[in-house]
Amino acid sequence: NAGVTQTPKFRVLKTGQSMTLLCAQDMNHEYMYWYRQDPGMGLRLIHYSVGEGTTAKGEVPDGYNVSRLKKQNFLLGLESAAPSQTSVYFCASSPFLVYEQYFGPGTRLTVT
Amino acid sequence: AQSVTQPDIHITVSEGASLELRCNYSYGATPYLFWYVQSPGQGLQLLLKYFSGDTLVQGIKGFEAEFKRSQSSFNLRKPSVHWSDAAEYFCAAQMIQGAQKLVFGQGTRLTINP
Repeated sequence: NAGVTQTPKFRVLKTGQSMTLLCAQDMNHEYMYWYRQDPGMGLRLIHYSVGEGTTAKGEVPDGYNVSRLKKQNFLLGLESAAPSQTSVYFCASSPFLVYEQYFGPGTRLTVT
Repeated sequence: AQSVTQPDIHITVSEGASLELRCNYSYGATPYLFWYVQSPGQGLQLLLKYFSGDTLVQGIKGFEAEFKRSQSSFNLRKPSVHWSDAAEYFCAAQMIQGAQKLVFGQGTRLTINP
């Protein structure tokens, strides 16, 4: 039982490049979330999903897209990376009506 | 707007000393409340949570937190810190209804002096 895993762990992009971050959970959780962590700002919600095939915007969605084609996977895409998207990205999942989120180890992204 | 505030960005305490990390929330109704810890280069680990009932909740690693409705606070405490407690601590709140989204405070970095 791996819990929540994130791929890749580190990535360096040039401005304008695109990439996809993969989050996978093996706990059959309904809800999944993507956060970004920046110094002095805590974690901020980018997008979230309440079930397979559904997505919704969080607090800071601009410049990101997401998809949840399978219940266990939640993908975060950057279509045209900008230096402002340099951050640590965390994925989390949660069972329905169980108010606790389980976090992945994070992906450190640098955009130059 | 819903918000969580951690007034202290950085706290330094001596090993063996007591610790209190502050957290205040601003919500229309009392939310669910959480404390998470993040060790350097790691993900977030849940320390404890408050949903309802007893306002003093016990967590892992010897931590406890007290919910005070009158002060909209949920402060984290530990009677005697260990060097391994050095980490960043996040307070978070969640609406009781809806998509179970967490709102995090800014975090408090804890340094332990030997």
